[in-house]
Formats: sequence, structure tokens, C-alpha cells
Amino acid sequence: KAGVTQTPRYLIKTRGQQVTLSCSPISGHRSVSWYQQTPGQGLQFLFEYFSETQRNKGNFPGRFSGRQFSNSRSEMNVSTLELGDSALYLCASSLNIQGTAEKLFFGSGTQLSVL
Amino acid sequence: AQSVAQPEDQVNVAEGNPLTVKCTYSVSGNPYLFWYVQYPNRGLQFLLKYITGDNLVKGSYGFEAEFNKSQTSFHLKKPSALVSDSALYFCAVRDGGNAGNMLTFGGGTRLMVKP
Repeated sequence: KAGVTQTPRYLIKTRGQQVTLSCSPISGHRSVSWYQQTPGQGLQFLFEYFSETQRNKGNFPGRFSGRQFSNSRSEMNVSTLELGDSALYLCASSLNIQGTAEKLFFGSGTQLSVL
Repeated sequence: AQSVAQPEDQVNVAEGNPLTVKCTYSVSGNPYLFWYVQYPNRGLQFLLKYITGDNLVKGSYGFEAEFNKSQTSFHLKKPSALVSDSALYFCAVRDGGNAGNMLTFGGGTRLMVKP
């Protein structure tokens, strides 16, 4: 069974540009979450999608947005990039079994560098 | 609000010796607690979780964790460390009363196991 796939693996952008990152969850997984990892702030929750709806949202500005498609694949978009957006962006998927604390399956991430 | 503290940035241990990586948490509802490990240039991998029941939880690769409600702690342990255990370890908490998979992570502890 294929794991969580994130594309691209590396991305270099300049300030002011926008970027779209993609995540394909494990087959059958319906919940997709996004996290930002930086040396200074650690791992921070961005948002979670389930059945094409945003279920939870972290404390990030509106420049960060996401969506989920009917096949559970997800994209996140960052507009008007800032230097501080340089980070490893991790996607995680889970089955979403009601009433359980599921383990998350993480992708290898997209390393975004903003110049 | 929920939070996680990992008081040690780095833990050094000799191969064959027992190891402990500390974690304390704060959450308003019932805590769902997790440990994840991250190897270089990789996403996070699930080690173990606590939801309810026995305070000692066993996980992957010989790791275990002890839940202590009065001390709000969830320390990760292993009786005999291996060099291959060297990695970055993250403790995470989720409020059991909330739907979804919004995890709050600690800052991470780098485990160095020396031969």
C-alpha cells in the first residue's frame, strides 16, 4: 500500500509569489491534516480536512488556505509569500474512525524556501 | 487551549542503557497522547498512543510510555537503547472531546545514542 505522497519535494519561491502544495493520502484515508515545521516554532497545525470540508483550523493568517477533493487528495496554498513561510510542510492522513484516537500517517514533506 | 512541553532539547545515552524522554501536557478535556519519531529528511512515524486504560502503553520498536495523570506527564522509555534509535522525538496531545485530528506537538527532543 502506497504511503502519503507529497509533491513537490522541494520548492524555491521569492517573496510575494504564491505556492500550491499537493498531498495524496493513503488509499481509503478520508482525513488529511497539514502541519508546518520550522526550527524556531516546531510543528504547528495548519488545518484538517474531512469529506472536502475543513474540520479544524490552526492559528495561521488567511494567506494559508487549503482544500480537499472528492478523492481525498488535498492541496494547500500560500499566497503573498513571506521569508518566514520557509518551512517543511507536512501532510498527514488517517482513516477517521469515529470515536477513536487514530494514528496519523505522515508524508515526507515539501521543503519550501522563500528567497 | 492545549500545550505540550518537552523540557530537554537533547538526551544522550549509551547503547544498551535505558532511556527516558520527558513530556508534560496541558489539555482541558481528556487527553489523547502520542509519541512520534522523525528521522532525517523524513516525515513523522507513529510510535504509540494513550487513550484510556492501563497507564503503561507499549509501542513500536520496543518503546513504551507511562501516563501519569497527577503529574500530567507521558514520558517515553526504552529499557535498552540502540544506536538506530537516534532521531528526533515528538510528544503530542489532542483533546479527546474534540472531533478530528488536531494535534499539538511539543518542541521535540533529539535522542543521541552512542556506541
